[in-house]
Amino acid sequence: SQQGEEDPQALSIQEGENATMNCSYKTSINNLQWYRQNSGRGLVHLILIRSNEREKHSGRLRVTLDTSKKSSSLLITASRAADTASYFCATDGTGNQFYFGTGTSLTVIP
Amino acid sequence: DVKVTQSSRYLVKRTGEKVFLECVQDMDHENMFWYRQDPGLGLRLIYFSYDVKMKEKGDIPEGYSVSREKKERFSLILESASTNQTSMYLCASSLYYEKLFFGSGTQLSVL
Repeated sequence: SQQGEEDPQALSIQEGENATMNCSYKTSINNLQWYRQNSGRGLVHLILIRSNEREKHSGRLRVTLDTSKKSSSLLITASRAADTASYFCATDGTGNQFYFGTGTSLTVIP
Repeated sequence: DVKVTQSSRYLVKRTGEKVFLECVQDMDHENMFWYRQDPGLGLRLIYFSYDVKMKEKGDIPEGYSVSREKKERFSLILESASTNQTSMYLCASSLYYEKLFFGSGTQLSVL
């Protein structure tokens, strides 16, 4: 399977702290994306980073990509209770498919 | 605003029934996808379509079929529903195989 893996599976932090989650994948990619899913809902696209980029920012989100290690990290700064959700990384693989990891469940305690 | 609409939020069916899950997008996207999501397994691709009447198998196509007669509509069909098909089903669309837009999901229970 080309599916990625997020780490940790679950993360619990206090409001205002930073949250970091990691993604490892197996094959070469053109881009890697991060998505967020609120409980029982569809996924929402957060950010895309291309294979020739090392770091990207969007608001309170910072994504890094290390293609030599086949890994990425998502940092959410100054977390809020509303950031409580599951976060998934997705990579583009062969055959124009997207491969999702199993997700990190983030709980931000007010 | 971009919209992917799945016809049902919750669905309860009996084993052996034929089940249709409908998905409509209003963005004129070429590509549409069906995933199922199970706890601990993440999202797994069932089928995707890159054009009208075109389809490709994903990782877990067994027990499913799809139909794309119009660009905006992509249907997932369970020919004879089984209990192991109880899951959350997510439809998505994209323009350039980059950003995916997801529907809200259909939680299907097969009894």
